[in-house]
Amino acid sequence: GEDVEQSLFLSVREGDSSVINCTYTDSSSTYLYWYKQEPGAGLQLLTYIFSNMDMKQDQRLTVLLNKKDKHLSLRIADTQTGDSAIYFCAEKGSSNTGKLIFGQGTTLQVKP
Amino acid sequence: DVKVTQSSRYLVKRTGEKVFLECVQDMDHENMFWYRQDPGLGLRLIYFSYDVKMKEKGDIPEGYSVSREKKERFSLILESASTNQTSMYLCASPPSGRSFSYEQYFGPGTRLTVT
Repeated sequence: GEDVEQSLFLSVREGDSSVINCTYTDSSSTYLYWYKQEPGAGLQLLTYIFSNMDMKQDQRLTVLLNKKDKHLSLRIADTQTGDSAIYFCAEKGSSNTGKLIFGQGTTLQVKP
Repeated sequence: DVKVTQSSRYLVKRTGEKVFLECVQDMDHENMFWYRQDPGLGLRLIYFSYDVKMKEKGDIPEGYSVSREKKERFSLILESASTNQTSMYLCASPPSGRSFSYEQYFGPGTRLTVT
């Protein structure tokens, strides 16, 4: 079945780069997403990538997709304390219902 | 500005109570979803609805039911709340079909505690 896996915790120092990794199993995934959840809030879409792309850059965010290994990563350059949050990787499966499969979420801790 | 709203941010209920969580979207979307979020488990799909009066079970429907009487409103019902239903509940209303866009809209969440 469809499954998405992430490590649970990452700690970095302010100003460093953060890399959050994700693996998925559904080779028919058409869209892959990164969501951010700040404490006490809902999920906010950060960025997404189509399955026919290898890389997408959006200001401090870089998404890399390796379809062969079914591996997705999110790199945050110059990480700030405001980036501290839980980051969820998600894939849209093959159905058209909009259902997403989420990873467990990676808690990013940014130390001053 | 598009919005998904949930009726409560925090709820405390007793074991055995009937609990209603409501979600409203103003985007005229067909599809609406209820997830629960637990630490280390991510988001798990409870139920979803792709049209008025239509519903489908998600991955963890046991102990829950839903109601969709109007397009904009999707209710999650805990018939008899139990302590293992203490969780964060998130409603989402994504677009669907051939005009799919990347934006998926989530409500702010309801943190439910069952004592």
